[in-house]
Amino acid sequence: GDSVTQMEGPVTLSEEAFLTINCTYTATGYPSLFWYVQYPGEGLQLLLKATKADDKGSNKGFEATYRKETTSFHLEKGSVQVSDSAVYFCALSYGRTDKLIFGTGTRLQVFP
Amino acid sequence: GAVVSQHPSWVICKSGTSVKIECRSLDFQATTMFWYRQFPKQSLMLMATSNEGSKATYEQGVEKDKFLINHASLTLSTLTVTSAHPEDSSFYICSAKMWDEQFFGPGTRLTVL
Repeated sequence: GDSVTQMEGPVTLSEEAFLTINCTYTATGYPSLFWYVQYPGEGLQLLLKATKADDKGSNKGFEATYRKETTSFHLEKGSVQVSDSAVYFCALSYGRTDKLIFGTGTRLQVFP
Repeated sequence: GAVVSQHPSWVICKSGTSVKIECRSLDFQATTMFWYRQFPKQSLMLMATSNEGSKATYEQGVEKDKFLINHASLTLSTLTVTSAHPEDSSFYICSAKMWDEQFFGPGTRLTVL
């Protein structure tokens, strides 16, 4: 079945460091891919998405490119801030279906 | 905008009792809401899709008689865990759909003793 695999955390970085959180997926079709972020005490928020191969989603300095050949959707940010500390979830869904399939989440801790 | 709340944020109950969790869309109407369950260090798993005014659609393996879902209005869906047992202890998260996006609540931690 379809699934999403994320790197285990926590990822610990100093402020202004480069961030990569790996995400790979297994899918029978051509899903849309998402990154959600969950700040402490809050619900998941959509960070960015890509709907087809080679699309790049970007938001708040984060970006991820839909790589069909490697079935990956890695999240990157050039310079992280303390305020980026949160749990990041990679997810996929198909077309207009509402069913989101999530990875296990990766906790990011950024220290000043 | 697009805020979803859950109540309570945490609950502890005795085995055999029932617990109700509320999910509200505070500033928008949602014909569709979703209920997820998350175990420690595991991903969110969709339990059911709740549509206002109709029966919920449950995912395979989810007991509909144990996890009762009621979507009584366009801003409120409830999940009732009936005859709770320790294995029902988990983090329950709801989301509400607006346009093509799901907006998530902060979750409810259920502990069954």
